[in-house]
Amino acid sequence: DAKTTQPNSMESNEEEPVHLPCNHSTISGTDYIHWYRQLPSQGPEYVIHGLTSNVNNRMASLAIAEDRKSSTLILHRATLRDAAVYYCIPSYGKLTFGQGTILTVHP
Amino acid sequence: SQTIHQWPATLVQPVGSPLSLECTVEGTSNPNLYWYRQAAGRGLQLLFYSVGIGQISSEVPQNLSASRPQDRQFILSSKKLLLSDSGFYLCAWSVGQYGYTFGSGTRLTVV
Repeated sequence: DAKTTQPNSMESNEEEPVHLPCNHSTISGTDYIHWYRQLPSQGPEYVIHGLTSNVNNRMASLAIAEDRKSSTLILHRATLRDAAVYYCIPSYGKLTFGQGTILTVHP
Repeated sequence: SQTIHQWPATLVQPVGSPLSLECTVEGTSNPNLYWYRQAAGRGLQLLFYSVGIGQISSEVPQNLSASRPQDRQFILSSKKLLLSDSGFYLCAWSVGQYGYTFGSGTRLTVV
């Protein structure tokens, strides 16, 4: 499994953009980059995934570096409901969760 | 649409008692099934995964076992619970490698 490095925590204000970084320098060529988030006392929720190109969906955008050794999850306008632990997971197959980034959103 | 059911939501069991947690999936065929555990203040740990009926892979040696008697049923068991088995147990399914869907979890407290 590729090793990932994410900030332990980040803070944002409501309705501001949030950029959550992830370093995965040992990613293999076949690994997809998955992002999940977990709200308190709930199971993780799929956010987005990508391989090489940037990806957009209704929840977020994923920007992948050209060398694929890092990626950034972008929440365009943070809401209080976006407060969660965000996990970046390079994987082809089983998902192995690290410690993630605790995102706090201030009103 | 696909749904995943996991029960019970909470469970308090004495040390040495048996455990059986059940997870069922609806609306899909031949899913990959997973059991994860999250100890208090810790990350999610993959315990078992299954790619088909009767096929179980264990990720971490421990006091637990898993079985998949039917295509969409995944069971987590223990013969004798330990205090260290306490945690938040999550079942998940996927078709291929995309979009894991997690259940609502079972919070197990061993006393």
